[in-house]
Amino acid sequence: KAGVTQTPRYLIKTRGQQVTLSCSPISGHRSVSWYQQTPGQGLQFLFEYFSETQRNKGNFPGRFSGRQFSNSRSEMNVSTLELGDSALYLCASSLIGGTGTDTQYFGPGTRLTVL
Amino acid sequence: AQKVTQAQTEISVVEKEDVTLDCVYETRDTTYYLFWYKQPPSGELVFLIRRNSFDEQNEISGRYSWNFQKSTSSFNFTITASQVVDSAVYFCALTGNYGGATNKLIFGTGTLLAVQP
Repeated sequence: KAGVTQTPRYLIKTRGQQVTLSCSPISGHRSVSWYQQTPGQGLQFLFEYFSETQRNKGNFPGRFSGRQFSNSRSEMNVSTLELGDSALYLCASSLIGGTGTDTQYFGPGTRLTVL
Repeated sequence: AQKVTQAQTEISVVEKEDVTLDCVYETRDTTYYLFWYKQPPSGELVFLIRRNSFDEQNEISGRYSWNFQKSTSSFNFTITASQVVDSAVYFCALTGNYGGATNKLIFGTGTLLAVQP
């Protein structure tokens, strides 16, 4: 079974631009979560989607948004990029999520650099 | 508040040594789940183990073993006879049902393990 895939793997943007990252979960998995990893803040939860609905959101500004499609694929968008948004963005999928019981499997991540 | 503490920032060992990575957690939940993930230089987080709060049985998988002790809120990870391929950052994580159903993982700060040949 194919794992979680994320595209693109690397991105370079400039301040003020916006960016869209994509995540395809493991086949059959319906929950997709996004995490941001930075040297200073570590791994932080961004949001979780299930059945095309955002089920939970972390403590990030409204510039960070996401969505999920009917095939469970998910995208996250960051508008008006700031230097501090430079990070590794990791997507994780699980069967149903939501209860804390599922195991989340992670993709390879998208490394975003904001200049 | 939910929190995971990995006090060891970096550990360096020589190949074939045993090494234990410490993890201490805090949670108000009576039902919760603990995880260990490995992050090699490529960046992907690789799932190693999940343990629920009702199961304190220790687990062994090859050279890996985990010791879960609710009395001390610890979930430690031991690698026996370490190998160079074990070099990575290891994260301990916690999830539960706090504030309603959520899949949110709370991660520790990670322990960088360097295994020297």
